[in-house]
Formats: sequence, C-alpha cells, structure tokens
Amino acid sequence: DAGVIQSPRHEVTEMGQEVTLRCKPISGHNSLFWYRQTMMRGLELLIYFNNNVPIDDSGMPEDRFSAKMPNASFSTLKIQPSEPRDSAVYFCASTALANTGELFFGEGSRLTVL
Amino acid sequence: GESVGLHLPTLSVQEGDNSIINCAYSNSASDYFIWYKQESGKGPQFIIDIRSNMDKRQGQRVTVLLNKTVKHLSLQIAATQPGDSAVYFCAENINTGFQKLVFGTGTRLLVSP
Repeated sequence: DAGVIQSPRHEVTEMGQEVTLRCKPISGHNSLFWYRQTMMRGLELLIYFNNNVPIDDSGMPEDRFSAKMPNASFSTLKIQPSEPRDSAVYFCASTALANTGELFFGEGSRLTVL
Repeated sequence: GESVGLHLPTLSVQEGDNSIINCAYSNSASDYFIWYKQESGKGPQFIIDIRSNMDKRQGQRVTVLLNKTVKHLSLQIAATQPGDSAVYFCAENINTGFQKLVFGTGTRLLVSP
C-alpha cells in the first residue's frame, strides 16, 4: 500500500522565493498533520486538519506560512516569502484512528533556503 | 555563525544486547505516550503507545514502562539488532486531544554487529 507521499523530496531556493510543499495522505485517513524538524527545535507540529478542516494552526510560525487542504487526498504547505531560517525537513503525516498517536509519516521534504 | 544544534544523547550497544531508552516528560496532565523510531532520511515510525492508566505495555521485542510519579517513560528493546539503529523519540499528549503530540528531543541508538 502507498504510504504518505510528499513532494518535492528536496528543494533548494533563494531567500524571498515562494515554496510549496505537497502531501498526499493515505487513502481513507481523515486527519492530516504538518510537522517541521530542525536540529535546534526538534519535531514541531505546525498545523493539523480533520476532515479537510484546519483544527489547530497555533504551531504555524508566522503569516509567511499557510496550509490548505482542498480535498481529502491533497494538502499544501506554502511559505512566502521564504527565509534561511525556514530551512528544515517538513513532514506530513496522516491517520484514520481517533484517540491514538499512531501517525503515518511521509519521508519528508528537505528545504534549504539560501 | 553556525547555530548550535541539539546534541542527541547516544546509546551504543552490541547486537543481541537489551537496550533501554529513557525519556522524561514535562506535563503531569499528559495521559497518553508514544514511542517513535526515525531512521536516517525517513519519517518517524510508530512503535508502541501507552495510556496513563497503565504502567507497562509489551509489543514485539519492545516494552514501554511508565512511571507517572517521576514523569518518566522508558522503551526497552530486547535482543537489539543492527536494524534497530535509529533515533527514538518519545511523545506525549498534553491532554488536548490526541493530535497535539509533543515530541521529545530524541535518543540515538547505535547497534554494533
């Protein structure tokens, strides 16, 4: 079975450019999460969706970050404009299980902002 | 200059040994705990979970122990194998719904053949 699919796997861009990261959750999963992982801060929850609706975006760093989930099989995380401190690995995860922490993570998108 | 990153604690063991990875959690109101494994270049992978009304739970080759008195969680891996080499994270649900998981900083496990 296909797991969570993220693209691109690697992105190198220059400061000020727009970055869009994409995620396809596992079919049938109704909750989707975006995490960011850095050496300095570890793994941080940015936002999560339930049934395509954003439930908690308190982890989104600032207005430069936005996330959408237009349908059950697709989500985007956009950074505009990007800054060097946004360099990180961004993970998408999904689950169909209520009352559990068993999330299924994608392989991540490594973003480097020069 | 270069920023200082997290220095992951590292546990080095020999193949076949038992490994114990420890985690101190922060919130006494947390009611649910999870262990994840992250191999290099991959996303975290769920290993095992435990609710606060339990103090021990066993899986395949893994056991999680919970001590709520001292807010401590441990993951025991029996007969550690080279494939167990990874970074292990504990995560806690701080009682705001399962989605709000707070991850620890991780421990690197190195298994030598």
